[in-house]
Amino acid sequence: KQEVTQIPAALSVPEGENLVLNCSFTDSAIYNLQWFRQDPGKGLTSLLLIQSSQREQTSGRLNASLDKSSGRSTLYIAASQPGDSATYLCAVTRSYNTDKLIFGTGTRLQVFP
Amino acid sequence: DAGVIQSPRHEVTEMGQEVTLRCKPISGHNSLFWYRQTMMRGLELLIYFNNNVPIDDSGMPEDRFSAKMPNASFSTLKIQPSEPRDSAVYFCASSSLGQGYNEQFFGPGTRLTVL
Repeated sequence: KQEVTQIPAALSVPEGENLVLNCSFTDSAIYNLQWFRQDPGKGLTSLLLIQSSQREQTSGRLNASLDKSSGRSTLYIAASQPGDSATYLCAVTRSYNTDKLIFGTGTRLQVFP
Repeated sequence: DAGVIQSPRHEVTEMGQEVTLRCKPISGHNSLFWYRQTMMRGLELLIYFNNNVPIDDSGMPEDRFSAKMPNASFSTLKIQPSEPRDSAVYFCASSSLGQGYNEQFFGPGTRLTVL
């Protein structure tokens, strides 16, 4: 059974720091991995999606990497801002024939001015 | 594109009442998902449809929960009778299975409170 874990569970940093959020999964047979952001009381916003054949994806100040063989992904946030404060979730899908997501436990990030 | 649309955004009801949550997926998407989120259990997949057919309903907690997708642009999640432990935020999401990267897009959620 696929299990997805995120460390740390919570993180509080001053503005301007570069951050790394971690996601690990127990079964390396994944099709893709998706990072989401969730603001308090809101829905999930897709940030980045990495196909199993890819090593990384970038969007603005965000960079997500994937090491499938070791069951790990990291989300790198450069020059963090207070507006980055949210909960970050990673999720994996198992195969091309299903888009059922298995979610991680989330990292709650607070960036203070 | 308007994104995934859910209604109502908030629902407060009394125990024993029937609750119906509604979802309109993104036009052209062929998969639809219902999730529940609570502080204790995080995000849980309840059921998902592909081409309007339920594929996996193993996450539906009890017979009190039912979901339908009568056409490609509409789905409902019904709870009858509702109980206080059903209080949660219910999300609907959609994606295009087999037509790209299977990226899921979420609606804003319905916050359900059962008194």
